[in-house]
Amino acid sequence: DAGVTQSPTHLIKTRGQQVTLRCSPKSGHDTVSWYQQALGQGPQFIFQYYEEEERQRGNFPDRFSGHQFPNYSSELNVNALLLGDSALYLCASSRDSRSYGYTFGSGTRLTVV
Amino acid sequence: AQTVTQSQPEMSVQEAETVTLSCTYDTSESDYYLFWYKQPPSRQMILVIRQEAYKQQNATENRFSVNFQKAAKSFSLKISDSQLGDAAMYFCAYIPESGGSNYKLTFGKGTLLTVNP
Repeated sequence: DAGVTQSPTHLIKTRGQQVTLRCSPKSGHDTVSWYQQALGQGPQFIFQYYEEEERQRGNFPDRFSGHQFPNYSSELNVNALLLGDSALYLCASSRDSRSYGYTFGSGTRLTVV
Repeated sequence: AQTVTQSQPEMSVQEAETVTLSCTYDTSESDYYLFWYKQPPSRQMILVIRQEAYKQQNATENRFSVNFQKAAKSFSLKISDSQLGDAAMYFCAYIPESGGSNYKLTFGKGTLLTVNP
């Protein structure tokens, strides 16, 4: 049973560019969350998608946007990249429940130069 | 706002010995879940153990156990018979119980565990 899959695994972008990261949730999961993890830090919540709608958003600017498709997969878009956006971006999925935590993917390492 | 604090940036343990990682949290909620996640160099966050706040009994998963002190808002992880494969970054995390509109998993800054042969 495939877990959460993310693509690409690594990405290098230039300041000011736009980037799209992709996530396929674990089979049977319908909720997708995105986290940003800076080097040496814990993950920070960006937003969560459920039923193709953004259900909750963390303290991130509007440059960060997302989408969830009918098959529950999701995209994270970041516009006007800044050097400070360099981080590991983690996707997490779950059934619509908080009690068992979330299943995480291996992340996309984004480097902005 | 909920916060999670891990006061030990780094810990080390000898193989086969026992180590305890500390975590404290702050919340005004009465019902919530607590988790310990392990993040090895492969980067994938792996769930180690979970605790429901309404359960007084401490959770145990094989060599991993927790000491949950609700009044003190403390949630430490004990790893017994440490193995080389336990070396990783460990994160404590909190999420409020189902109901309400907060689905955010809040993480601490992590503790880097080194296991020495």
